[in-house]
Amino acid sequence: QVQLQQSGAELAKPGSSVKISCKASGYTFTSYYISWIKQTTGQGLEYIGYINTGSGGTNYNEKFKGKATLTVDKSSSTAFMQLSSLTPDDSAVYYCARILFDWYFDFWGPGTMVTVSS
Amino acid sequence: DTVLTQSPALAVSPGERVSISCRASEGVNSYMHWYQQKPGQQPKLLIYKASNLASGVPARFSGSGSGTDFTLTIDPVEADDTATYFCQQSWNDPYTFGAGTKLELK
Repeated sequence: QVQLQQSGAELAKPGSSVKISCKASGYTFTSYYISWIKQTTGQGLEYIGYINTGSGGTNYNEKFKGKATLTVDKSSSTAFMQLSSLTPDDSAVYYCARILFDWYFDFWGPGTMVTVSS
Repeated sequence: DTVLTQSPALAVSPGERVSISCRASEGVNSYMHWYQQKPGQQPKLLIYKASNLASGVPARFSGSGSGTDFTLTIDPVEADDTATYFCQQSWNDPYTFGAGTKLELK
């Protein structure tokens, strides 16, 4: 069955970076893109961007350009998102999700909580 | 960005029919999708492209609409349907989500 396994919670200091992972199993990794979504109580769900798991090509929401960097390791069927220059506003649960070609999310990972605090 | 407006909360009794609305600030064709999220869990896809039932989702769930006005209907509602329901559009860039409708059972 399709599974997306995410890395554990992160506690980071303002100004630092974190890199979270999303390991896929149960399907052909390079046949589907992976997307990342941010969830906060205040802002709700926000689409960050997606990565073409075959070519490594990316598409970002303008709001997250310069904040998020998406990469992929095909050999381990893992997608990564690095968040840089962290501020308290980056504190959130971050989900990876498989995205289909009508651009909806059919399977979601369990989420990774990122807390930014000094 | 396309703003999706949902009513914040609804309360219904088990066995009733409930309709959850989502209005887009601009047309999204039929590219509206619905998700269910229970506390502490990730969202789960219910409906894609306005009216298509996702795999494994009970037929009690249905979707309708096009353009700017969309509806998710649950009929009949069961106790397990207590959750927050989100709409998401993928016609306009960037893809956006509604703020969610919290469904409570009386």
